[in-house]
Amino acid sequence: DTGVSQDPRHKITKRGQNVTFRCDPISEHNRLYWYRQTLGQGPEFLTYFQNEAQLEKSRLLSDRFSAERPKGSFSTLEIQRTEQGDSAMYLCASSLPLAGVRSYNEQFFGPGTRLTVL
Amino acid sequence: AQSVTQLGSHVSVSEGALVLLRCNYSSSVPPYLFWYVQYPNQGLQLLLKYTSAATLVKGINGFEAEFKKSETSFHLTKPSAHMSDAAEYFCAVSEGRYGGSQGNLIFGKGTKLSVKP
Repeated sequence: DTGVSQDPRHKITKRGQNVTFRCDPISEHNRLYWYRQTLGQGPEFLTYFQNEAQLEKSRLLSDRFSAERPKGSFSTLEIQRTEQGDSAMYLCASSLPLAGVRSYNEQFFGPGTRLTVL
Repeated sequence: AQSVTQLGSHVSVSEGALVLLRCNYSSSVPPYLFWYVQYPNQGLQLLLKYTSAATLVKGINGFEAEFKKSETSFHLTKPSAHMSDAAEYFCAVSEGRYGGSQGNLIFGKGTKLSVKP
């Protein structure tokens, strides 16, 4: 399977615990995005990497959230001291680099990690 | 700032009927527009994309969408609904590098499509 993979698919945790999710992008994609999707809403952008550099963070990404992409391959998203409001689907997407001024990126999404905070 | 509005959080059609899911966008530069489909507990799958070539875009599973600049719309249609089309559909906009952004997708809130037998 050469698509985007995410692990785990489901995570149930108690409030106050730390959780970590992993995303493995498509191998030749150097751009990696994290989104959060709450019930009844569309995905919302959290952060973005180009290779190992984290280039943009949304205001949604509080200081309890941290994302890394060591060596520019897989990425991890950690949530510290989880709160019930963190319950959501966390989606990872990857894409090829933008090429040229007038260019776009087709993002390929993984299956997501559904987090439930009790 | 970019934004997407999807009119109707739920749409119900009969099998074989026309599917029409509405999407209006706001963008300060010529946008790139996308439709994604999401089945329960799964990620998003790209149905089709508009990238400033033809204004009528054909996608997978018989879906198509028409970009209308004057109406700032990108509605999704399918002539004949199938039971397997039941899912949630998301419209998204990106300004790509043209807009100086990093190509983040801005999504609408989604429209859940039900197909009755």
